[in-house]
Amino acid sequence: AQKITQTQPGMFVQEKEAVTLDCTYDTSDPSYGLFWYKQPSSGEMIFLIYQGSYDQQNATEGRYSLNFQKARKSANLVISASQLGDSAMYFCAMRETNQAGTALIFGKGTTLSVSS
Amino acid sequence: EAQVTQNPRYLITVTGKKLTVTCSQNMNHEYMSWYRQDPGLGLRQIYYSMNVEVTDKGDVPEGYKVSRKEKRNFPLILESPSPNQTSLYFCASSLGRSGANVLTFGAGSRLTVL
Repeated sequence: AQKITQTQPGMFVQEKEAVTLDCTYDTSDPSYGLFWYKQPSSGEMIFLIYQGSYDQQNATEGRYSLNFQKARKSANLVISASQLGDSAMYFCAMRETNQAGTALIFGKGTTLSVSS
Repeated sequence: EAQVTQNPRYLITVTGKKLTVTCSQNMNHEYMSWYRQDPGLGLRQIYYSMNVEVTDKGDVPEGYKVSRKEKRNFPLILESPSPNQTSLYFCASSLGRSGANVLTFGAGSRLTVL
């Protein structure tokens, strides 16, 4: 079973609009971190935002916020006021504290296209 | 600037010719890891290291070797590359190994094996 599921292969949004990228996860580890990374066409992986499993409040970083719903095992990324430079692939990822190797487990990604 | 540096960024080689992809971090991180990214398969962990002289296999270790002789360096060695190792490779590091630690990635190394 997939541990990280991103159901939107592609999303389209106009500049200045908000967009939500969906992510659900599956784990039995009580201690884990949830991450979003951006991969532009140049290929690098850019860290955007982190949410800990014990955090009570949703994480925010500038225009990025993470809508964390623990009971639903959901960690959606909200980008407010989209910009052309936001066009990229976005990955949701999870890191389980008690998993050997503590690898970052990635979803398959969502391609976001922002138009003017 | 805090960063993970990988070299080379791009490499075309032939089957069987040994190559090393270097990785260095300047953040005094204990944990380092290698991933490969392939279309349709996403990112998969190859090897990881919890600290100096401590390395272990990830999900796809076949055909790769690593070493961690110094804290800052974690090279990936392909002893006899094959075409199925054509991929985009990422080195990453974090301060610790728990789920609370953010992994910082290098810029990626695009490898083609002919």
